[in-house]
Amino acid sequence: AQTVTQSQPEMSVQEAETVTLSCTYDTSESDYYLFWYKQPPSRQMILVIRQEAYKQQNATENRFSVNFQKAAKSFSLKISDSQLGDAAMYFCAKSSGDKLTFGTGTRLAVRP
Amino acid sequence: DGGITQSPKYLFRKEGQNVTLSCEQNLNHDAMYWYRQDPGQGLRLIYYSQIVNDFQKGDIAEGYSVSREKKESFPLTVTSAQKNPTAFYLCASSIEPPPGGGETQYFGPGTRLLVL
Repeated sequence: AQTVTQSQPEMSVQEAETVTLSCTYDTSESDYYLFWYKQPPSRQMILVIRQEAYKQQNATENRFSVNFQKAAKSFSLKISDSQLGDAAMYFCAKSSGDKLTFGTGTRLAVRP
Repeated sequence: DGGITQSPKYLFRKEGQNVTLSCEQNLNHDAMYWYRQDPGQGLRLIYYSQIVNDFQKGDIAEGYSVSREKKESFPLTVTSAQKNPTAFYLCASSIEPPPGGGETQYFGPGTRLLVL
């Protein structure tokens, strides 16, 4: 079975600082996609960023960027200039065919 | 204003009762998905459908049933066979995934199911 591991149940960052959330996964596939989703207190899942495994260039989306290490099966999310609105649960997910497998999430707190 | 709607926001189930959760999308997406979320766990796939009148079991389909009679709608029924139904249920949709997958899934606001 595919597994996605988020080893940090909780993280905290000072407003305006940078934080990195970790994600590792298990796969025998060579082509797949990776995602980071944000779940704020409203509980609606919102896409943060998407990475295609065959692309070596790390995806970026404004203040959000990833560090994708395919050989290490690692996909970390960096949030720069953290804002109070970034406080949420963050889930890493990996595609396998037309399905997604999610990690258990990291709760991010932002200190004012 | 395109999106995914789920109703109701809260649902209470009595012992032995079947309940149905609604999911509607107006994004013209082909694929739809149902997930269950429990505290401390990620999302787990219950059922998914890539096309009308066809659906597949996910990782935790026991005690649940679905139908896909219309492209826009993918209701989930929690049957009395599901012994621990208390959870947060999320519906998602995407455009038709290619064979290798990878299409972004967009989520509805969720339904919280509680057992009385």
